[in-house]
Amino acid sequence: DIVLTQSPATLSLSPGERATLSCRASQSIGTYLAWYQHKPGQAPRLLVYDATKRAPGLPARFSGSGSGTDFTLTISSLQPEDFAVYYCQQRSSWTTFGQGTKLEIK
Amino acid sequence: QITLKESGPTVIKPTQTLTLTCTFSGFSLSTSGVGVAWLRQPPGKALEWLSLIYWDDDKLYSPSLKSRLTITKGTSKDQVVLTMTNMDPVDTATYYCAHRFDDLIFDHWGQGTLVTVSS
Repeated sequence: DIVLTQSPATLSLSPGERATLSCRASQSIGTYLAWYQHKPGQAPRLLVYDATKRAPGLPARFSGSGSGTDFTLTISSLQPEDFAVYYCQQRSSWTTFGQGTKLEIK
Repeated sequence: QITLKESGPTVIKPTQTLTLTCTFSGFSLSTSGVGVAWLRQPPGKALEWLSLIYWDDDKLYSPSLKSRLTITKGTSKDQVVLTMTNMDPVDTATYYCAHRFDDLIFDHWGQGTLVTVSS
């Protein structure tokens, strides 16, 4: 199985700051990477797919980058509603998910 | 507006068979390209994809769980059913169903249902 390692496990930032979340794959996955946002008690939300493509309706402050084994989700200016857990997912070989990064208010 | 909701038992005993139902609206599983998946997340662990059924009744299963899983369209046209045999405490998890966006990408999810396996 392809293992996805997300870092950091927890990221403490203030509204208005820039968030940079990392996802590293155990082998090259091209650009077959997606990002999801998950808030407690809610359904997970697709943010980015194919490494850089935004899901319909996603605010422009969210952007994805990377290819091969290293990927980044950037939130340019954090809004209060952005504090959540973020997961990356690969679909290069079946599909697996990372353990998540918890983005919390500092 | 696409919505999905999972239903099923909250507690099940070891060795029993789990049956979960996903009831959805806002799309048709008869439409070409459409699929509904099941995923789960054990407490404190990563999400895990389990199975996917397509509009044409084609099915995919996680290789590691294939022998225990069966996915079917429900008797109602807006339902998908997942069965998992021989449940074990390690199968304790929140189980989600989700709408396929493309390949194994999921753009709408249910809120999940927690299933605890305990004697």
